Amino acid sequence: QVQLVQSGSELKTPGASVKVSCKASGYTFTGHSMNWVRQAPGQGLEWMGYINTINGNPTYAQGFAGRFVFSLDTSVSTAYLQVSSLKAEDTAVYYCARDVNMGALDYWGQGTLVTVSS
Amino acid sequence: QSALTQPASISGSPGQSITISCTGTSSDVGRYNYVSWFQQHPGKAPKLMIYDVSNRPSGVSNRFSGSKSGNTASLTISGLQAEDESDYYCNSHTSSNTLVFGGGTKLTVL
Repeated sequence: QVQLVQSGSELKTPGASVKVSCKASGYTFTGHSMNWVRQAPGQGLEWMGYINTINGNPTYAQGFAGRFVFSLDTSVSTAYLQVSSLKAEDTAVYYCARDVNMGALDYWGQGTLVTVSS
Repeated sequence: QSALTQPASISGSPGQSITISCTGTSSDVGRYNYVSWFQQHPGKAPKLMIYDVSNRPSGVSNRFSGSKSGNTASLTISGLQAEDESDYYCNSHTSSNTLVFGGGTKLTVL
C-alpha cells in the first residue's frame, strides 16, 4: 500500500535550518510529483510547491523561493524539504503529498511539526 | 496567487444536505476542470474526497459530490452524518502551473 512517512517533530531556534524527509513506499517514486503543503497553527492549507521526481526540478509557490529548498534522493524514494534562516512564523506542520493529476493529492504524509522558538 | 474563497463555516443537521462553495477566477477554477476537495479532521492529514471537479477516489462515500459552474466549484454532502464534521478545503490548478488552496470551511453537524 502507498505510504508517505515523514520525519519527526523539530524544535529549532530562529536562524537555524531544518530538513524534513518524506519517505515513499508502495508505488514507483518517479511516477508522481511530490508536493509540499504548510499549515500554520489554527490556519488553513498553503501550497508551497512541488518537485518533479523524474528530473528533480522544483517549482515554488510565491513566497517560498529562497529559504525553502525541495530535493530528492530517488535511490531511497525520499523527498526532502529544507528551510533555512528559520523565523518564528515558519512554525507550522509541513506535509508532503503525492500528486496524481493537477492537484489531486491522493496520499499525504502524517505531517511534521516544526516549531521555531528561542 | 490569491487563495480561493470559501465560507468560513457552515452547519447542518444529520440527514440534511449542505453545499460548500469555492470561488476562484478565470485563471484557475474557471479555466480548468482540476478542482479537488479535501477533508481534514483535527490533528490529521487531509484526505482527498473529490478530484477533477466531480470524481470520487475509491473508498469515498457517494454522499460526497462535486460540481462547477463558471469560477465557482461546489462540494455537496448529502445525508449529513456526525462523522462529516470536519474542515474542508478546495484547491485548483492555475494558469501559472501552480496550485492554490481555498481558505477552508469548518462544517458543524448540529
